[in-house]
Order: sequence, then structure tokens, then C-alpha cells
Amino acid sequence: GNSVTQMEGPVTLSEEAFLTINCTYTATGYPSLFWYVQYPGEGLQLLLKATKADDKGSNKGFEATYRKETTSFHLEKGSVQVSDSAVYFCALTLTNTGNQFYFGTGTSLTVIP
Amino acid sequence: NAGVMQNPRHLVRRRGQEARLRCSPMKGHSHVYWYRQLPEEGLKFMVYLQKENIIDESGMPKERFSAEFPKEGPSILRIQQVVRGDSAAYFCASSPPNTGQYEQYFGPGTRLTVT
Repeated sequence: GNSVTQMEGPVTLSEEAFLTINCTYTATGYPSLFWYVQYPGEGLQLLLKATKADDKGSNKGFEATYRKETTSFHLEKGSVQVSDSAVYFCALTLTNTGNQFYFGTGTSLTVIP
Repeated sequence: NAGVMQNPRHLVRRRGQEARLRCSPMKGHSHVYWYRQLPEEGLKFMVYLQKENIIDESGMPKERFSAEFPKEGPSILRIQQVVRGDSAAYFCASSPPNTGQYEQYFGPGTRLTVT
């Protein structure tokens, strides 16, 4: 089937630390991969995406590379800020599933000054 | 361009009552999706609708839940005879037609509490 597994949180980092949130997937076809971010009390916002193998999505200092050989899409940021505190969701979609998204369980990140 | 709108943001219902959740997609978007987020879990797909059509309802519980997206007005997710297990955050997302981009734009969610 189709599913996304991401590392459990919560994750607490000091400001300017390096961030990695692991994400692996299983898919019945060729998926597009996404990271969404959810700030407290808000909906999900698209952070970045990649639609084919070896693509690198990037936005606001975050990046993730679509690795088909390891079925992974790990999120990284070189230097986190307090304002990055949020819940991060890895997700995939397939064209043959009516565009529904399959989400991971989310990883809560808290950045302390 | 206003984003996806959902109302109410918070809804409290007693067991056995009905819950109606509304979603107005972004302007120009004709595809609507509903997801449910249970505590400590990720979002789970429920239903995908286009104007006046249900395209995929494979994630909808077989009983008590229904969804519509009429020609005019918002999409409605309706839960009849709510039970405590229905307490969750319900998110609506929309996407434009035929873009091939697969991006979905999410609303702020409705948090349903069943007492």
C-alpha cells in the first residue's frame, strides 16, 4: 500500500542547530513527495516538494532530496530559528489515487533560544 | 486571494447531535478534499469532491458521515449522531483543476469536540 513513516518527536533544538527529520515512504506507483508545516492553531502550509527522483525541494532554508533508492525524503535545515517551531508532516500523492495525500504522523519541533 | 476558509473553527456537540462543517475553497479551485486528524496521528484522507460530484470516498466511514460540494456554496461535511470517537480536527483542502501539480492548499481546520 501507500504510507509515510517519519521520525517521532518531539524534537527540541537550540537556535542555530542543524535539523534533520527523517521520512521514508512506500508507494504502489511513482509518488510526488511533500513536506507541510503546521504552526499552532493554523492549517497546513506547503513547505517544499519534489516530483521525481533526485529532485531537491527547497524553501526558507529547508531542503529535502527525493531518494528513490532508499525511498526517503528527509527534511534538513542548517540553522534553525525559534520561528521554525511547528509540526512538520511528510506526505506523498500518486496520480492514480485521485490526488489524495498520504501523511506521516507529524514531528513536533521546538527551537529554544 | 483568500485562502481556504473553514467554519466553524471550533465546534462542540453532545453525543447524538449532528455536526456540520463547512469549507470554502480558494477562488478558482474546483477540487475539495476532506481529511481527519485524530489526536497524536497524521491526517487521514476521507473524501475527494468536485462540484456536484463525489470522486473518491474511500476514506469515509460507512455510516453517519456524508459530504457534498454543491454547484453554489461551500462544501459540507456532515456527521450525524456524533460519538466521542468523532472528536478530531477536520481539515479541508482545495486544488485548482487540471494543473497536474498535485498541490493542495489547506484550511485552518475545524476542531470538533464531542462531549
